[in-house]
Amino acid sequence: AQSVTQPDIHITVSEGASLELRCNYSYGATPYLFWYVQSPGQGLQLLLKYFSGDTLVQGIKGFEAEFKRSQSSFNLRKPSVHWSDAAEYFCAVGLRSNDYKLSFGAGTTVTVRA
Amino acid sequence: SAVISQKPSRDICQRGTSLTIQCQVDSQVTMMFWYRQQPGQSLTLIATANQGSEATYESGFVIDKFPISRPNLTFSTLTVSNMSPEDSSIYLCSVGQGRANEQFFGPGTRLTVL
Repeated sequence: AQSVTQPDIHITVSEGASLELRCNYSYGATPYLFWYVQSPGQGLQLLLKYFSGDTLVQGIKGFEAEFKRSQSSFNLRKPSVHWSDAAEYFCAVGLRSNDYKLSFGAGTTVTVRA
Repeated sequence: SAVISQKPSRDICQRGTSLTIQCQVDSQVTMMFWYRQQPGQSLTLIATANQGSEATYESGFVIDKFPISRPNLTFSTLTVSNMSPEDSSIYLCSVGQGRANEQFFGPGTRLTVL
């Protein structure tokens, strides 16, 4: 069955430390891949996306993600976390064959401690 | 990216009533989407709303419960009908733009049903 998995429900990280959020997908074809962030009480903001080409993509707010076809993964990273990065992070995939409709992972809550 | 607004931002409603949520975009878009985010959960697609055609509903969602209008390329409404406490959620609209129809989200409508 097609699915998007975010294995980590909650991650706590110290301010200034690095962050990595995992995302795995199970689809027959390589989907389009997205990371969104949702701050408390806010809508979703697109952090970055992967369609094709360079497997390391840069996004906003200092985030990057790496697509690994062999592992069906699209993990999100940030070298140095700021307190304002505390939020919910969602991985999403879309398929051209499905009219690009998005399927979302369950989300990972990031807490930043001082 | 498009700027998307939603009204109301939040509401508290009585069981058995209906609420219509508006989504306004600052540019013309072909595809609009409506999502539900239940408390502490990820996003689930309710339906796709394209101008000039009937909305397409995902499995588990029906038109009688969630009627959608799409009168032009910048506006859509979602009605939550005959509400019950189980309908308490955040409802988000999004628009598809650009390559792979990447989606941009409105701020959401937080609905509480008593």
